[in-house]
Amino acid sequence: QVQLQESGPGLVKPSETLSLTCSVSGDSISGFYWSWVRQSAGNGLEWIGRIHPSGSTNYNPSLASRVTMSVDTSKNQISLRLLSLTAADTAIYYCARWMQSVGGGFDFWGQGTLVTVSS
Amino acid sequence: AIQLTQSPSFLSASVGDRVTITCRASQSLRDDLGWYQQKPGKAPKLLIYAASTLQNGVPSRFSGSGSGTDFTLTISGLQPEDFATYYCVQDYNFPWTFGQGTKIEIK
Repeated sequence: QVQLQESGPGLVKPSETLSLTCSVSGDSISGFYWSWVRQSAGNGLEWIGRIHPSGSTNYNPSLASRVTMSVDTSKNQISLRLLSLTAADTAIYYCARWMQSVGGGFDFWGQGTLVTVSS
Repeated sequence: AIQLTQSPSFLSASVGDRVTITCRASQSLRDDLGWYQQKPGKAPKLLIYAASTLQNGVPSRFSGSGSGTDFTLTISGLQPEDFATYYCVQDYNFPWTFGQGTKIEIK
């Protein structure tokens, strides 16, 4: 069974950088696209972007200037960096696997990690 | 970005009811739409992908239909564990977008 586990700081100060990691177990990250999705009370669910282990990325234009995603195939991990945080970035952050082979859908999700932006 | 509008936003129903949720897109998605169920404190769970394909392990009382701009999720015979919030998601065009959600509560 594929399992995803997000990790990172729960509290970040405004203007700082958020770094999150998604550790994947039960299968190799190779061959799949991996997305970050966040959920806040104000904005509902928001797709942040996706990355393929080949290095291909697609970002939400609303966040593209502040977002970087990367992969570490040796550790079977995906990472997210989000710059210049504000209170509006307070959310639960999820990583999820996208089923490219069958035309789409996020079939596995992490449990989510709450990130609060506050001084 | 493609906008997805779900209706209703809130639905009160009883166990055994047949319920239908609609998702309307601001432009055609072909069939690149999925449905997810989310319970409090949990990640969303994939129910339907490609508009009408049931994800492995999801009960057959869930079904999806539609193409283009209009889609529906139907639950035939609501069960106690189905009281949750449901979201549609399009992965046709970047940025992928979510509907605002439909919360099903017990009548």
